[in-house]
Formats: sequence, C-alpha cells, structure tokens
Amino acid sequence: AQSVSQHNHHVILSEAASLELGCNYSYGGTVNLFWYVQYPGQHLQLLLKYFSGDPLVKGIKGFEAEFIKSKFSFNLRKPSVQWSDTAEYFCAVYSSASKIIFGSGTRLSIRP
Amino acid sequence: GAVVSQHPSRVICKSGTSVKIECRSLDFQATTMFWYRQFPKKSLMLMATSNEGSKATYEQGVEKDKFLINHASLTLSTLTVTSAHPEDSSFYICSARPGQENYEQYFGPGTRLTVT
Repeated sequence: AQSVSQHNHHVILSEAASLELGCNYSYGGTVNLFWYVQYPGQHLQLLLKYFSGDPLVKGIKGFEAEFIKSKFSFNLRKPSVQWSDTAEYFCAVYSSASKIIFGSGTRLSIRP
Repeated sequence: GAVVSQHPSRVICKSGTSVKIECRSLDFQATTMFWYRQFPKKSLMLMATSNEGSKATYEQGVEKDKFLINHASLTLSTLTVTSAHPEDSSFYICSARPGQENYEQYFGPGTRLTVT
C-alpha cells in the first residue's frame, strides 16, 4: 500500500526565509502526488500536483515542488515565505485504490 | 473552481443521539465522494468512499453501522453518526471527485461535531 511521510511536524520561520518541507512516499507503481494547504479555520486547498512530465511543479502562491523519483521525495519549496503562509501543509499520494492518502501534516508558523 | 459545501458547519449533540452531515458538490457532479475525520493536530483519516447509487466502502476499523453513508445523488452524500459518543467528537471533512479519470478531489469546509 502506498503511504506518505512528512518528517517535519512543526516548522517556524521568519518572514522572507526560504522554505522546504519534506515529503517521502512509498513506491507503488505510477505516482500521483499532491500538496494541500489548510489555512487556520479554512478548508483544504490544493497547492500543486504532479501526475507526469516536468518533475518541477509550480503551484499557487509561489510554491513549487520537485518530484525526485530516485529519492521517493516530493518536497515543497518557497523561496521567501510571508506571514500569510502560516498554515498546515499536507503531502498526499493518489493510491492504487483510487484514494488520496495524506501525510501527517506539517504546521508552518511564520514570525512577522 | 469546483465548490463543495457541508452542512452544518458545527453541531453539538447529546450522547446517544444521531446526527446527519450533508456534503454537496455545488457546480459539478461527483461520482465519488469521500469522508474523512481529522483529529486535532493530526492528519486526515479516510473513513469511507461513497459512490453514487451503491454501498459505501469503509476503511479498516471504521464501523459501518455507526457511520452511515448515503450517496443519494450525484451532488449529495450524507454521513450519519448514530448513537453518538463523546469520542466521536471530531472534525469531519468530505471531498468530491468529478469523475473516474480525474484524480483531483475538492474538499468541503468541514463539520465540527461535539458530543456532550
């Protein structure tokens, strides 16, 4: 069964710092990967997704993620974070059973 | 973009009673809907997959007699928590998928259930 691991539980950064959140997945054939964000009090929103093609995926709000097959990773990056990026971030994989499996989430806190 | 709504957004009920949560896809037809449970500071746990016109498929460890799911139409799925207990208090989130070939799911805003 496919699974997703997020090793950073809580990340604290200052504004303008660069961000990288780790995500590793277990191999299970064709991989479809997602990053979702949940702002405080709001519902889950899709940041970006990888299905195939260019392994460097650009999403909304300046986020990007790179699919590295050899490392089974799909890390999320942003060159300069803002206070408004404070949220919970979830990496997810589309499983062979047609379900989205979520990682445990990373809480990002930005100091103004 | 695709919009999914949930009703109610918050509900408080007494132990032993049942409560129904609705999930609607507002601007698309959802052949499949999913129900998740999110514990505080935890990830989303998939409870069940609901296909229109057929029985829901429950994940291991989820009691199907306690969490009744009905996907009555292509735009509506309901989750009924029967004989609720305080440990059922949680944040319940639904999502909807437009079609079999579309991997994307669109999430509802969630329903906060508190059982007293």
